[in-house]
Amino acid sequence: GNSVTQMEGPVTLSEEAFLTINCTYTATGYPSLFWYVQYPGEGLQLLLKATKADDKGSNKGFEATYRKETTSFHLEKGSVQVSDSAVYFCAFYNFNKFYFGSGTKLNVKP
Amino acid sequence: GAVVSQHPSWVICKSGTSVKIECRSLDFQATTMFWYRQFPKQSLMLMATSNEGSKATYEQGVEKDKFLINHASLTLSTLTVTSAHPEDSSFYICSAPGLAPNPTDTQYFGPGTRLTVL
Repeated sequence: GNSVTQMEGPVTLSEEAFLTINCTYTATGYPSLFWYVQYPGEGLQLLLKATKADDKGSNKGFEATYRKETTSFHLEKGSVQVSDSAVYFCAFYNFNKFYFGSGTKLNVKP
Repeated sequence: GAVVSQHPSWVICKSGTSVKIECRSLDFQATTMFWYRQFPKQSLMLMATSNEGSKATYEQGVEKDKFLINHASLTLSTLTVTSAHPEDSSFYICSAPGLAPNPTDTQYFGPGTRLTVL
């Protein structure tokens, strides 16, 4: 079946630390992959996406590469800021539906 | 950008009562809206697709009579949890696609509603 597995949080980092949030997926075919971010009190917002193998999505210093061979789409950022504190969701879109991971809460301390 | 609101943001109710959650697209029209629920530390799961002017389409395993969906206008969809029980306690999120041809790029999410049934 279709599913997304992402690392459990919360993840707590100091400002300027390196961030990795792991995400792997099980899907039929080769769907588009996404990372969404949810800031406190707000709805999920598209952070970045990749539509085919080896594509790299990037936005606001975050990056993720579509790895077909490992069915992964890990989110990375070289230097996190306090303002990056939020919940991050990995997802893919297949057959007119979104499939989401459970979300990973990131806390960045000054 | 486009905004989707939900009301209430949180609600506590007694077992056996019904609760209505509203999802509104504030500055665009949405003929389709999606309802998700999320249990603690679990994935967001699609419950149903709400269609303006017609019946909602429910995902397998979701009780239609339990979770009533009404999409009465192009900017409002409601989810009513009927005869709520503690196991219905969850986080409910709605979303609506924008006007761009690619629905994945313009999927707008509400902030969610936390339902606690005592």
